[in-house]
Formats: sequence, C-alpha cells, structure tokens
Amino acid sequence: EIVMTQSPATLSVSPGERATLSCRASQSVSSNLAWYQQKPGQAPRLLIYGASSRATGLPARFSGSVSGTEFTLTISSLQSEDFAVYYCQQYESWPLTFGGGTMVEIK
Amino acid sequence: EEQLLESGGDLIQPGGSLRLSCAASKFTFSSFAMSWVRQAPGKGLEWVSLISASGGSTYYADSVKGRFSISRDNSKNTVYLQMNSLRAEDTAVYYCAKKGLPVASDNWFDSWGQGTLVTVSS
Repeated sequence: EIVMTQSPATLSVSPGERATLSCRASQSVSSNLAWYQQKPGQAPRLLIYGASSRATGLPARFSGSVSGTEFTLTISSLQSEDFAVYYCQQYESWPLTFGGGTMVEIK
Repeated sequence: EEQLLESGGDLIQPGGSLRLSCAASKFTFSSFAMSWVRQAPGKGLEWVSLISASGGSTYYADSVKGRFSISRDNSKNTVYLQMNSLRAEDTAVYYCAKKGLPVASDNWFDSWGQGTLVTVSS
C-alpha cells in the first residue's frame, strides 16, 4: 500500500498570503495524484488531478506541482473561502489512498 | 450539474448488515466507474471500494474486503454498497463519488454526494 503523508497538519495563514501544502508518497506514483478541498459539513471537492491539472472552474490561484514523490498544492493568495481541509489522493495503484489532510486556518 | 444522492445510512448493531444506495443523475452513469469513500467522525478520508462502468470489475480496501460488496444497476443509475459483519470501526459518513474520466487508470473523483451516516453501535 502506498502511504501518503501530508504536511503540515495545520497551516495558519493570513488572507491574501500564499499557502504551500505538501504531500509525499512512500513510493513513486508518477503524476497520478489528486487534491481535494473539504469544508466542514460538506463533501470533498476536486481541485487538481494529474498532479497539476486544475478541475473545471477552479480559480487560477490554485496550482499543483510535483518533484519525484513530493507533491505541492499552492494557493497563491488565500481568500476567505479557501480556509478548509485539503487532502491528496494517489491513484497509481490499489488500494487508492488519501493523505491525512492539511487544515488551512485563518491566522 | 451532476448529482449523486446517497441513502440507507442508519444506526446498526455490531455484526449487522446494511445496504447503501447512491442514485446518480445528470450524466451518463453507465460510462463511469463509481466509488465509495468514507470518513469516520473527525477523521480523514478513506477509500472503500470502486466498481467499473460495466460492473465487471470491483476493488476493495483491505479493511472491508470479504465483508462489503459493491454493485451497480445501470438501468436504475444506482450504485450500491452491501455492508455485512459491521464493526464499530465502520462508523463513518459514506460518500458516493464519480470517477472523473471514462478512462481505465485515472481513478480520481470529480463529483461527490453529500454522504450518508452509518453508525455501528450497540
């Protein structure tokens, strides 16, 4: 099983600042990684697939990148609606696995 | 807008059985694989199971293998999760999710239902 490790667990950021979230895979997943956003009481929402492709309608302030087994989700200028929990998910192999999540909170 | 509506969640005793349903609309259901993902209270997301578009292939997390069974009825645009031998650790919100593309290997999910709560407790 591929283990996905997200860091930090909690990220405190002021509105308008840049947020950088990390996700590391225990072995190669190529670019088979997705990012999701989840707000309290809501279902997850797809943000990024293929490590760097934005979902339909996603604002350009969200971007994804990869270097080896290290994946990064960057939110260039945090808006109030971006404060949420973010999960990465690998789909390179079975079972599909999610990271433990990063909570982005208001500083 | 694509819609997924789960139902069937309930309070059930350990060892019991439950069947969840997910009714899909506003997309060509028979073209897409479907999955169940769960979230225990206050915890992260855990993938549970996936079924191919035709229903011919199914996949399970080790934690539910042998106890849960996924199926679909393309004539009813519905996917099911039969859960047997339920345990306290199966307590979670269960989400139905649609695979993003009708392509074999890209198992990411672009539409999610609002979830249905399963509580396993005596």
